[in-house]
Amino acid sequence: TQLLEQSPQFLSIQEGENLTVYCNSSSVFSSLQWYRQEPGEGPVLLVTVVTGGEVKKLKRLTFQFGDARKDSSLHITAAQPGDTGLYLCAGEEGAQKLVFGQGTRLTINP
Amino acid sequence: SQTIHQWPATLVQPVGSPLSLECTVEGTSNPNLYWYRQAAGRGLQLLFYSVGIGQISSEVPQNLSASRPQDRQFILSSKKLLLSDSGFYLCAWTWSRAVSYTFGSGTRLTVV
Repeated sequence: TQLLEQSPQFLSIQEGENLTVYCNSSSVFSSLQWYRQEPGEGPVLLVTVVTGGEVKKLKRLTFQFGDARKDSSLHITAAQPGDTGLYLCAGEEGAQKLVFGQGTRLTINP
Repeated sequence: SQTIHQWPATLVQPVGSPLSLECTVEGTSNPNLYWYRQAAGRGLQLLFYSVGIGQISSEVPQNLSASRPQDRQFILSSKKLLLSDSGFYLCAWTWSRAVSYTFGSGTRLTVV
């Protein structure tokens, strides 16, 4: 099983600050996804990146897939309290199976 | 539109008791179905996946089993629960040619 390492595991910042979450692996993935999860609920898909070097923007969120398709990052600009949650990256391992990172618990303080 | 249902939302069971969690998908046919377990605030561990009726693949040796008696129904079971079976169980589905998952709302299982 391929492994995904997310960092940081916990992040607490003030409203208005910028932040970046990283997702790294020594393995190549055919695609990588980012999910956001609220307490007591299932994860919700934010984005899927497929091409090495791909950059996708979702309002204040910017997602990047590494050139070698081994790593990804999530950058949030001007964070808001509504961004608080658990962010999970997941790589496609094969046969439509995903392997998940351990998550980044993000807290945005007003 | 497609929807996924999981129940119950919470469950408290004594050690040694049986378990049955059910997941159903509506609005699609022949979905890939998955059971994941999540430790508190952490990542997801794949337990079982199924690409069709009666086809179950197990990812982790454990005290649990899964069955798919109907196309859109996926059941997670145990004959005798252990304390270590406590966790947040999530069901998910995807189309066979897609990768992005849609998750159910999860079941919080506490074994006491």
